[in-house]
Amino acid sequence: DGGITQSPKYLFRKEGQNVTLSCEQNLNHDAMYWYRQDPGQGLRLIYYSQIVNDFQKGDIAEGYSVSREKKESFPLTVTSAQKNPTAFYLCASSTHREVSDGYTFGSGTRLTVV
Amino acid sequence: GQQLNQSPQSMFIQEGEDVSMNCTSSSIFNTWLWYKQDPGEGPVLLIALYKAGELTSNGRLTAQFGITRKDSFLNISASIPSDVGIYFCAGQLPNPSGSARQLTFGSGTQLTVLP
Repeated sequence: DGGITQSPKYLFRKEGQNVTLSCEQNLNHDAMYWYRQDPGQGLRLIYYSQIVNDFQKGDIAEGYSVSREKKESFPLTVTSAQKNPTAFYLCASSTHREVSDGYTFGSGTRLTVV
Repeated sequence: GQQLNQSPQSMFIQEGEDVSMNCTSSSIFNTWLWYKQDPGEGPVLLIALYKAGELTSNGRLTAQFGITRKDSFLNISASIPSDVGIYFCAGQLPNPSGSARQLTFGSGTQLTVLP
């Protein structure tokens, strides 16, 4: 079955360390996205990518970096420059259609800085 | 960026009651979508709406695409405990110019169902 997989489900990081969150999809979707969700809050867009080797900053890109070397993969690196990285991170993908049929979301990664 | 105003922010209801939530915007959208997020999971698509005035049902859920194209509502009838979660609206602006940044999300409605 096709889907989008995020790993790991839980991640702990020491202050000052970079950490990379994985996102893989086998839906043959062109576009992929990273969102951050804080407790009781909505979704805030970090980065998005329309095609391989191209990506754009979202609303809260500072302290994060991404790559899109393969269509199936869109890893997110949370760098030490991100001052408040503890949050729930969601990856999503979609077809590149004029009329959206919605995003497919992964099950999320909960990052905690210790 | 564009904003969707979703209300209420949270709701506490008794099992068996009906629920209504809505989203409004100052901009016209050509697609409205409703998602549900279970605790600790990613959002899952519930209903998609593509035409102004469209009314669509999915089991106990009913959603409508507002006539003005600037609003949408979601109703849940006869709520049950598994309805607990966060409900998000999302809209797509017309003529996205090929941008993958297709959807704008509301801030969510946290629903709690009391036994």
